[in-house]
Amino acid sequence: GDSVTQMEGPVTLSEEAFLTINCTYTATGYPSLFWYVQYPGEGLQLLLKATKADDKGSNKGFEATYRKETTSFHLEKGSVQVSDSAVYFCALSDRAGGFKTIFGAGTRLFVKA
Amino acid sequence: NAGVTQTPKFQVLKTGQSMTLQCAQDMNHNSMYWYRQDPGMGLRLIYYSASEGTTDKGEVPNGYNVSRLNKREFSLRLESAAPSQTSVYFCASSEAPASGGRIETQYFGPGTRLLVL
Repeated sequence: GDSVTQMEGPVTLSEEAFLTINCTYTATGYPSLFWYVQYPGEGLQLLLKATKADDKGSNKGFEATYRKETTSFHLEKGSVQVSDSAVYFCALSDRAGGFKTIFGAGTRLFVKA
Repeated sequence: NAGVTQTPKFQVLKTGQSMTLQCAQDMNHNSMYWYRQDPGMGLRLIYYSASEGTTDKGEVPNGYNVSRLNKREFSLRLESAAPSQTSVYFCASSEAPASGGRIETQYFGPGTRLLVL
């Protein structure tokens, strides 16, 4: 079945450092890919998404490119801020999955001032 | 526009007690979902409702029941709580996928933290 694997955390960075959080997936169909972010004490919210190969999703300085050949959707940001401290979830939604979105385990990011 | 709201925010139960978690959305979405979030396991789907009047099991439905009361509201009931149900519960909603399609974006509530002693 479909699955999402993302790098384990926590990831600890200093402010203005470069961020990469790896995400790879397996899917029977041609999925849409997402990054959701969860700030402390809140629910998940969509950060960015991509619906077809080579699409780049971007928002708030974060980017991720849909790589079908490597089945990956890695999240990057050039210069992190303390306010980016949160848990980041990679996810996919597939036609074969119907109404189900598959989430990765989440990666916690700490950014130090 | 409140989005997705959940009540209560926090609840402590004793083993064997029952309770209902409430969820409502004001975005006119057809589809609604209940997830549980446990450390290191991401979100796991408990039940979902593709449209008013329909409900289906997700990945971990045992010990839970749901009711899609109307288009806005989707409740989750624990009939006899167990310590294994200690978790954070999230409700979400989305536009229904077109026929043969896929979910594009889900909108989440703030969560209910449940502790079962």
